[in-house]
Amino acid sequence: GEDVEQSLFLSVREGDSSVINCTYTDSSSTYLYWYKQEPGAGLQLLTYIFSNMDMKQDQRLTVLLNKKDKHLSLRIADTQTGDSAIYFCAEIGYNNNDMRFGAGTRLTAKP
Amino acid sequence: GAGVSQTPSNKVTEKGKYVELRCDPISGHTALYWYRQSLGQGPEFLIYFQGTGAADDSGLPNDRFFAVRPEGSVSTLKIQRTERGDSAVYLCASSLTTTSGSYNEQFFGPGTRLTVL
Repeated sequence: GEDVEQSLFLSVREGDSSVINCTYTDSSSTYLYWYKQEPGAGLQLLTYIFSNMDMKQDQRLTVLLNKKDKHLSLRIADTQTGDSAIYFCAEIGYNNNDMRFGAGTRLTAKP
Repeated sequence: GAGVSQTPSNKVTEKGKYVELRCDPISGHTALYWYRQSLGQGPEFLIYFQGTGAADDSGLPNDRFFAVRPEGSVSTLKIQRTERGDSAVYLCASSLTTTSGSYNEQFFGPGTRLTVL
């Protein structure tokens, strides 16, 4: 089946940039997403990118998509302690039904 | 307006028992999804409703799992003869529609944490 893979942990210093990477296998993916999950809270959509784009910027967030290599990244500029959470990469195919998630990257921003 | 709500927030049950988990989607959202998130994993798709009908139930792990959405709004996920391996957070999401190829944001509820002892 199709997989979405992410590294499990990332630790950065407050003020530095964080880069979270994701790879996926489904070449028919139409949209790719980044979700944030804080302890005890639901999934919060951070940003998404359509598969025909290669970059999207939204304030401190930059998403890069390399469709050829099926690689997606999320860069968080000026990482704050409040950014500490689990970040999930997800993709959805043309049928728009089942969203497939990675296992999540736990980001820790240390003062 | 209100987001997706799920009840109960926590459910503890014994192995072999039957449980029902409820999801109230955002008003007007025709599409509803159930996911299961095991510890240390990302959410895993279970079933998707378009209106009242289950349009895709390919993610349900076995026939102990069943979901309904009789009036096209509230949905109930039902698990029979629960097993310890069913312990997870069950997430519900809803979206306006699911037109193929178009962007439809799925809004997630806070989840129900199910623990089977």
